[in-house]
Amino acid sequence: EAQVTQNPRYLITVTGKKLTVTCSQNMNHEYMSWYRQDPGLGLRQIYYSMNVEVTDKGDVPEGYKVSRKEKRNFPLILESPSPNQTSLYFCASSPGTGGGYEQYFGPGTRLTVT
Amino acid sequence: AQSVSQHNHHVILSEAASLELGCNYSYGGTVNLFWYVQYPGQHLQLLLKYFSGDPLVKGIKGFEAEFIKSKFSFNLRKPSVQWSDTAEYFCAVSPNNNAGNMLTFGGGTRLMVKP
Repeated sequence: EAQVTQNPRYLITVTGKKLTVTCSQNMNHEYMSWYRQDPGLGLRQIYYSMNVEVTDKGDVPEGYKVSRKEKRNFPLILESPSPNQTSLYFCASSPGTGGGYEQYFGPGTRLTVT
Repeated sequence: AQSVSQHNHHVILSEAASLELGCNYSYGGTVNLFWYVQYPGQHLQLLLKYFSGDPLVKGIKGFEAEFIKSKFSFNLRKPSVQWSDTAEYFCAVSPNNNAGNMLTFGGGTRLMVKP
């Protein structure tokens, strides 16, 4: 089944404890992206990647890191999480890098930082 | 940079009522337009999209949307809603030929359909 998977689905952590949220897609998509969803703000893009070893900042990159060593994986790293990073995170992938491609979303990771 | 406004944050309807959710965007160039839906506890799914051509686009589950370029709008409609349409709806815009595939989302509209 073609899909985007994320792990973990739920995570509660403490301020400053490094964490990684994994994202994987099995559709051979070039483009991958991370979003955070906050009430009333919709989804905001954190980072995106147009291909292996190519990443760039989205609208809200502060406090996050990403890497794209393989085409299928795009982990999101929080080196020192803070409570304002409590949010619902979605990974997405797309077959192309132009604006006209649909993005396919993962199931989401609900992160709470205390 | 583009921006997207969804003016209705919460909508409550009874089954069989008609639905129209507003979406306006600001961007000076050509855009691609999307409506995504998020059912409770699930991930976002594409309802419909507009790239070019007929400004009235039809999506899944009886939804449609009309692109009115002069009004920078892309409103979502459904003639008769069902309880199963209860969800959050997001309008999104991506500039055409944008190599970064930057999707900008509106704040979302929570729809509750009463049985």
